[in-house]
Amino acid sequence: SQTIHQWPATLVQPVGSPLSLECTVEGTSNPNLYWYRQAAGRGLQLLFYSVGIGQISSEVPQNLSASRPQDRQFILSSKKLLLSDSGFYLCAWSEAANYGYTFGSGTRLTVV
Amino acid sequence: GENVEQHPSTLSVQEGDSAVIKCTYSDSASNYFPWYKQELGKRPQLIIDIRSNVGEKKDQRIAVTLNKTAKHFSLHITETQPEDSAVYFCAASMSTPLVFGKGTRLSVIA
Repeated sequence: SQTIHQWPATLVQPVGSPLSLECTVEGTSNPNLYWYRQAAGRGLQLLFYSVGIGQISSEVPQNLSASRPQDRQFILSSKKLLLSDSGFYLCAWSEAANYGYTFGSGTRLTVV
Repeated sequence: GENVEQHPSTLSVQEGDSAVIKCTYSDSASNYFPWYKQELGKRPQLIIDIRSNVGEKKDQRIAVTLNKTAKHFSLHITETQPEDSAVYFCAASMSTPLVFGKGTRLSVIA
C-alpha cells in the first residue's frame, strides 16, 4: 500500500533562517506531488505541484521554492523565512490528475 | 481558471440531525469532485468523491450529489454524531491540481 511521510512534525525557526521540509511517498511510482499551506483556521493554499521529476509549477510567487530530486521525493525550501511563512504545511500525492489526494501528517512551522 | 465557492462557512447542528454543505464551481469542464474532512490539528482526509458521469453517491451516512447543469454539488451527512465535528472542504478539478473551497466548520452539539 502507499504511504506518505512528511517531516518534521513541528518546527520553530527565527526570521531570516533557511527552511527545508521533506516529503516522500512509498508504494507508487510517478505520483503527482503537492505542497499546501494552511494558516490557522483558514483554507488550503496551493504552493507548488509536480507531475514528474524536475517539473515544478508554482502557484504563489514568494520566497519559497520546491524541488523534486527523485520520483517520490518533494522538498520545500526557503533561503530566508518571513514571519508570514508561519503555518501548517501539508504535502500530498495523487496517482494522476483527477484522483483524490492523500495528505501527509503536516509540519507546523512557527517563524519567530 | 476554476473557482469554487463553499457555503456555509460555519454550521451547527444537533446530534442526530442532518447537515448539508454546498459548493458551486465555475468551470463546466470540471469532472471530479472530492470532499475532505479535517479534524482539529490533523491532515485533511478524503471522505467521498464523485465524478461527472454520476449524479449521486452514498457511503453509509454521507452522500454527495452533483448538478452539472447548475454547476453545484453538495455533501449530505445524516444522523450526525459528535465525531462528525470538523472542517469540511470541497474541491473541483478537470486536471491537476484540485481547486478547494474555503471550508465549512461543522459543529455537532450533543
